[in-house]
Amino acid sequence: EPEVTQTPSHQVTQMGQEVILRCVPISNHLYFYWYRQILGQKVEFLVSFYNNEISEKSEIFDDQFSVERPDGSNFTLKIRSTKLEDSAMYFCASSGTGPYNEQFFGPGTRLTVL
Amino acid sequence: AQRVTQPEKLLSVFKGAPVELKCNYSYSGSPELFWYVQYSRQRLQLLLRHISRESIKGFTADLNKGETSFHLKKPFAQEEDSAMYYCALSGGATNKLIFGTGTLLAVQP
Repeated sequence: EPEVTQTPSHQVTQMGQEVILRCVPISNHLYFYWYRQILGQKVEFLVSFYNNEISEKSEIFDDQFSVERPDGSNFTLKIRSTKLEDSAMYFCASSGTGPYNEQFFGPGTRLTVL
Repeated sequence: AQRVTQPEKLLSVFKGAPVELKCNYSYSGSPELFWYVQYSRQRLQLLLRHISRESIKGFTADLNKGETSFHLKKPFAQEEDSAMYYCALSGGATNKLIFGTGTLLAVQP
């Protein structure tokens, strides 16, 4: 059964450094999402991506964040200058076409900013 | 404001006991409601959605628009049901998910 994959599983970085989190969505899916979960808090929506552009973003997704689908299979989240409060689990998800399609989640990347 | 509330952080029951995980929502339009489950060391996965009105692993959930609730129920809990359960709603053009804070269900032998 196809699955969403994410790399790395754990990333440790120094405050102020750039990080890129990678996701490979399910191959025939067209909608892509990033969510994050700070330890002990709820899963929060960051951004959705469709047809090679951002379709919606949350207040959390400020200028420090960007997303890209560089090669038709990968979907990346870049944080330009990490802050301590960016430490969280980041989940990628993808879904097919049509309304109310199930979102399939990746296993997550745990980002630790020191 | 769009919001999902799960009032219980932890629900501990004995095997064979009934389970009800509470979920209330706030949304101005007609949302789609979901329950996602995360077993230990596994990814988030969809358990059920209100629109399909199905029972998965013995769990059911009924959307009550009057009470804006979508409680998850199972008549007889099993140890393998122990997991984190998240209620979520989806709405708008992009179908982003808005999650509750989750309830950890612990089924004791």
